[in-house]
Order: sequence, then C-alpha cells, then structure tokens
Amino acid sequence: QQQVKQSPQSLIVQKGGISIINCAYENTAFDYFPWYQQFPGKGPALLIAIRPDVSEKKEGRFTISFNKSAKQFSLHIMDSQPGDSATYFCAASGGAGSYQLTFGKGTKLSVIP
Amino acid sequence: DSGVTQTPKHLITATGQRVTLRCSPRSGDLSVYWYQQSLDQGLQFLIQYYNGEERAKGNILERFSAQQFPDLHSELNLSSLELGDSALYFCASSVQGQMNTEAFFGQGTRLTVV
Repeated sequence: QQQVKQSPQSLIVQKGGISIINCAYENTAFDYFPWYQQFPGKGPALLIAIRPDVSEKKEGRFTISFNKSAKQFSLHIMDSQPGDSATYFCAASGGAGSYQLTFGKGTKLSVIP
Repeated sequence: DSGVTQTPKHLITATGQRVTLRCSPRSGDLSVYWYQQSLDQGLQFLIQYYNGEERAKGNILERFSAQQFPDLHSELNLSSLELGDSALYFCASSVQGQMNTEAFFGQGTRLTVV
C-alpha cells in the first residue's frame, strides 16, 4: 500500500518558470514531511522539510505548502533553473516509532533554457 | 558531500552469489538506515540500526541481513542473489534514532546481478 502518492511523474518547465510537485498522504500520524533532491549517480539530499504546525515554509527559491485537512503538501520551485533538473522525492515520517521515511515515487524535473 | 560513505560504488555479481555492502555514517550519527532504490518500486526502507541494535525492519527479504558494529559502521549482506535484486542500495544516517530529523544519504552502491 503506497502511503505517499506523488505527482506528476515527470515535469518539464522553462527556465524562470515555477515548478510544482504535489504529494498526498494517508497516515494521519505523519508529522514530518521532507523533500529530497537527487541528481543522477548521487544519493538523495534533503532540500527542505515541514512539520504540520505550519502551513508554509520557504527557503530561498523553494517553498513547501502544507494542507493538513486535505492531507496534501507540495513543493514549489520559483524561478526554476537548469541546475534544478533532478528527481525530487517527497517523504513522510511519524507515528509509532518514526523509524523510517516513506517516500513518494519521485518526480523527474527538467528545466529547459 | 553528505559525510556518509558507502563502498563499493559499483558491484557486478552472478546469481546465487553473496555480497557485502558497507556504510560509514557521519561522525556522531548513531543511526544507520538501509534503503533499496529500484525503478519500479522507488525508495524502499529495508532496516535500521541504532547504536548497534536493530531498531526497525521494513521490506527486507530473509536472504538479506545487516549489522552495525561498535565503531557504528554498518554492513548489508545480500545472499542467494537473484536478478531482481539489481538496484541501488543507499545507506543513510542521523543523529537520533528516529527519522523525523534530518537524515543524510550516501552516494549508494549500484548492484548488478547477472
């Protein structure tokens, strides 16, 4: 059972545009929602994370929007750059133990000049 | 550089064989997590160790086992390998025992079973 659903699978955005990736979760016990960025041949790297006590968190060009009632959260990349081209994973953790991250299936972002 | 070191980076082996993947966590991190990344399944949690003790198990096959040593490095042992075990295997580490704080991933070991 997939507990974190991520969309779209792939995304093409023009340089300077806004990239938006969405995730939905089922487990209401989740209380930590990170986004990871992965370049080819590299491991996932933490980009930004949010907890459900806030509805939005911004770090530079990256913003997480969180909707607790809808059990959804999204990543917005403003002024997208070719260097942002990577695979992005949303994840969630929490509840009894919180010993693992449950990942979405990933979104391959391509930013074209 | 995340500070998490995984060796080897690439491994090619035949079906039925056994391999050992190694992970050195970031200095000071007590927790080590192993994940498998395949094209169709995404990132799947396998197992977690905290300060030498097994803490949690995910979708880890019985043919797979792991341990964490007193110096906190960890090894993932994969035996009776099948073609379907070909994947990227990642190790991650964190300071605490729970993964609701920042976790750092290594660069992975790409395993190819032929």
